[in-house]
Amino acid sequence: GESVGLHLPTLSVQEGDNSIINCAYSNSASDYFIWYKQESGKGPQFIIDIRSNMDKRQGQRVTVLLNKTVKHLSLQIAATQPGDSAVYFCAETAWGDSSYKLIFGSGTRLLVRP
Amino acid sequence: NAGVTQTPKFHILKTGQSMTLQCAQDMNHGYLSWYRQDPGMGLRRIHYSVAAGITDKGEVPDGYNVSRSNTEDFPLRLESAAPSQTSVYFCASTSGLAEETQYFGPGTRLLVL
Repeated sequence: GESVGLHLPTLSVQEGDNSIINCAYSNSASDYFIWYKQESGKGPQFIIDIRSNMDKRQGQRVTVLLNKTVKHLSLQIAATQPGDSAVYFCAETAWGDSSYKLIFGSGTRLLVRP
Repeated sequence: NAGVTQTPKFHILKTGQSMTLQCAQDMNHGYLSWYRQDPGMGLRRIHYSVAAGITDKGEVPDGYNVSRSNTEDFPLRLESAAPSQTSVYFCASTSGLAEETQYFGPGTRLLVL
């Protein structure tokens, strides 16, 4: 079945270092991918997205890389800050049952050490 | 704009009781969804609505009902709560298809005893 998963449940990084959060997806027909950040007690917040016709997209301090050959998605955060500590979810959009489905991974917790 | 608002923030129910979780958005978005979030399982979609008067089942709809009488509001109804419905519930909105950016509300934490 369709699934989106993450390789690392918890990632601990030193403040100022770069962070890389990975995600694997199984539906090769998915054409849109999103990264969300969720802070404790809050709803998910959109970070960055990428469509399947791209392999890289950059935002402010964040970069998303898409490797369709191995169905792998990654989120890179440059110069990680304490405010980046949160749970990060990848999600894919797949067409099924006559509608788009947004399928979330289980999340990776990012801990930033001061 | 307040964005997406949800009430209550937290509620305790006894098994068999009914409850309505409220969701409202002031962005004139057509597409609204309800998700539940459980540890280790990410977010799963319960029901969604593409416009007022139109609702459809998501991936985990059993035990929940929704209605959409206007653009702003999208309440989620638990007719007879079960402990398995203990979860954090999020409402999300987007202006178009689900593939576009979704704005999530702050969530409702529900405990069913």
